[in-house]
Amino acid sequence: DTAVSQTPKYLVTQMGNDKSIKCEQNLGHDTMYWYKQDSKKFLKIMFSYNNKELIINETVPNRFSPKSPDKAHLNLHINSLELGDSAVYFCASSQGSGVEQYFGPGTRLTVT
Amino acid sequence: GQQLNQSPQSMFIQEGEDVSMNCTSSSIFNTWLWYKQEPGEGPVLLIALYKAGELTSNGRLTAQFGITRKDSFLNISASIPSDVGIYFCAGPLLSGSARQLTFGSGTQLTVLP
Repeated sequence: DTAVSQTPKYLVTQMGNDKSIKCEQNLGHDTMYWYKQDSKKFLKIMFSYNNKELIINETVPNRFSPKSPDKAHLNLHINSLELGDSAVYFCASSQGSGVEQYFGPGTRLTVT
Repeated sequence: GQQLNQSPQSMFIQEGEDVSMNCTSSSIFNTWLWYKQEPGEGPVLLIALYKAGELTSNGRLTAQFGITRKDSFLNISASIPSDVGIYFCAGPLLSGSARQLTFGSGTQLTVLP
């Protein structure tokens, strides 16, 4: 069973479009995250979310928004895509405020 | 902000050799994590360290939480081809109630047959 899954695996789209990436975890965790990995493999936190609190990294443009329909899902919506948004996006989850986070396989977003 | 510096940036070693890499910070961390990322996959948690001076093993991997709390080390013994990947250290940022992680820049490991 896949613990943290993401769809799609690859996403190619044009500038200006709006797209979503879905994330689901079956670990029973109550906190989920989105990370961005750039071309130099640097991983940077974008959001963390549980049923009480959304924490947004101050450097994330407001074109990015997380949406959680329930505890097992945290989707990432991106409006007005830009070339610089091309990257690999990872979803992760943890239990409570625990630091041991479990990552999904990633979604490679390419904006042309 | 808190930054983690990893070294070396990349390593090329022969199969069977031992590997050492480290991670340093200008700030104190209360937890150190080591992850491995293989091509096309997400990072996988290898070892978590919670106490200064702690030495923890996971198979051929051994990690240590530096006594100053500003560094951590990862050793891999008798490397094999499947050890290839990027190894990241990570530590928790203090940000609200959720523990967001800050990652090092990674050590790219290549194992030559």
